[in-house]
Amino acid sequence: AQSVTQLDSHVSVSEGTPVLLRCNYSSSYSPSLFWYVQHPNKGLQLLLKYTSAATLVKGINGFEAEFKKSETSFHLTKPSAHMSDAAEYFCVVRERNSGYALNFGKGTSLLVTP
Amino acid sequence: DGGITQSPKYLFRKEGQNVTLSCEQNLNHDAMYWYRQDPGQGLRLIYYSQIVNDFQKGDIAEGYSVSREKKESFPLTVTSAQKNPTAFYLCALRGDAGELFFGEGSRLTVL
Repeated sequence: AQSVTQLDSHVSVSEGTPVLLRCNYSSSYSPSLFWYVQHPNKGLQLLLKYTSAATLVKGINGFEAEFKKSETSFHLTKPSAHMSDAAEYFCVVRERNSGYALNFGKGTSLLVTP
Repeated sequence: DGGITQSPKYLFRKEGQNVTLSCEQNLNHDAMYWYRQDPGQGLRLIYYSQIVNDFQKGDIAEGYSVSREKKESFPLTVTSAQKNPTAFYLCALRGDAGELFFGEGSRLTVL
């Protein structure tokens, strides 16, 4: 069975400071992991994906995430927040042999203040 | 994303009416999905289709129906049997690594 937990429902940072959005997962098999961003009334956009290659994954807009198997974590980071980063972020897990099944976290709302 | 088109973007429905949400793609992907999103929650799978003329129920299929007559099209009908249809509906395609590519969504409001 697989599941994903986003540890913070809301995160607030100042513009120009680092961003950390936390995600823990549980998976019986080797997982694929994804981070998505959603702006209000928009669809979800893929930020980055981990599929068993390098454990440090770089995505779009300066985001990156590190797969840590020992900690079952896949935290999303960015060195310097921009106002346009304010959005909802979703961590998603998929087991390799699960076919269609993806599990979505409940989301983390990122607020960026001037 | 660019090759996935959902329409309409906003839709209002009276109780007891069926409505159909459109999802069209020109990216030649086989697998298509419908998700429902409610405030403060993650996405929940309604239906998915791996190939033309085949589709499977997801976790919350009751009150919904789909068809997959063409590879490009995967419409979702919200029937009057759906007790709480007001939500944001998202269509998606599956990529080679299992990732999903989403449309812009359709917001349905029941009056």
